[in-house]
Amino acid sequence: DTGVSQDPRHKITKRGQNVTFRCDPISEHNRLYWYRQTLGQGPEFLTYFQNEAQLEKSRLLSDRFSAERPKGSFSTLEIQRTEQGDSAMYLCASSGYRGLPFFGQGTRLTVV
Amino acid sequence: DQQVKQNSPSLSVQEGRISILNCDYTNSMFDYFLWYKKYPAEGPTFLISISSIKDKNEDGRFTVFLNKSAKHLSLHIVPSQPGDSAVYFCAASGNNDMRFGAGTRLTVKP
Repeated sequence: DTGVSQDPRHKITKRGQNVTFRCDPISEHNRLYWYRQTLGQGPEFLTYFQNEAQLEKSRLLSDRFSAERPKGSFSTLEIQRTEQGDSAMYLCASSGYRGLPFFGQGTRLTVV
Repeated sequence: DQQVKQNSPSLSVQEGRISILNCDYTNSMFDYFLWYKKYPAEGPTFLISISSIKDKNEDGRFTVFLNKSAKHLSLHIVPSQPGDSAVYFCAASGNNDMRFGAGTRLTVKP
C-alpha cells in the first residue's frame, strides 16, 4: 500500500494525558498537511510542512499542539494535556508541489 | 471565517437521477477547486478538481462546473448510483492554503 498511512486509527485517552499521532506520507510527496475534523464539519487546516520546514500553522493550533517532520518524511502531531474539546478525527494529507493532496484514513481521538 | 460554504447539509436523490451538489467561496485568491468524497471512518478521497482557468471538467459520471464571477462551483453526478452515497466536501486552494466546506451528505435511494 503506497497511500498515506496514519497510526493509530483510534485513540481513547483520559483528559490531561498527552497523545502523539504519526503520519507516513506518500514517499515522493514533499508537502504534508494536518487537518482536524469534528462532527458535521469539513476538515479544518491545522498545519503544513514542505519537506522538514513547518511553513504554516493555523490559529486553531494552540500551544498544546505541536507537529514535527524531522527528516522531511513522516510527521508526528502531539497534543499535550488533552481536553474533551480535542476529540475529533485528525487527518493527514500529502502532496507533491502544487499537486493534489491525498488523505490518510485519519486518527479518531476520543478524550474522556 | 467560513471561506468555503456548502449550504445544503444533505441531499437525497433517486437512483439514476442527477445529483447536484453546490459550493460557494469568498476568497478570490483561490485558484484550484476540488471535490472529495468521504465514507464513514475513512479519510476523504479525491474525486475531481478544476482549475480557475476552466469552467467545466468532466470525468465519467462526474462533472464539476465553476462560475468564477459568482464564486460558485457545483458537482453533478449523473446517473446517481447507491454507491455514491457519502459525504462530499468541496475544497478551495490557493497560496498554499486549502479550505474545506462543511460537507453535503448525499443519499442515493435504490
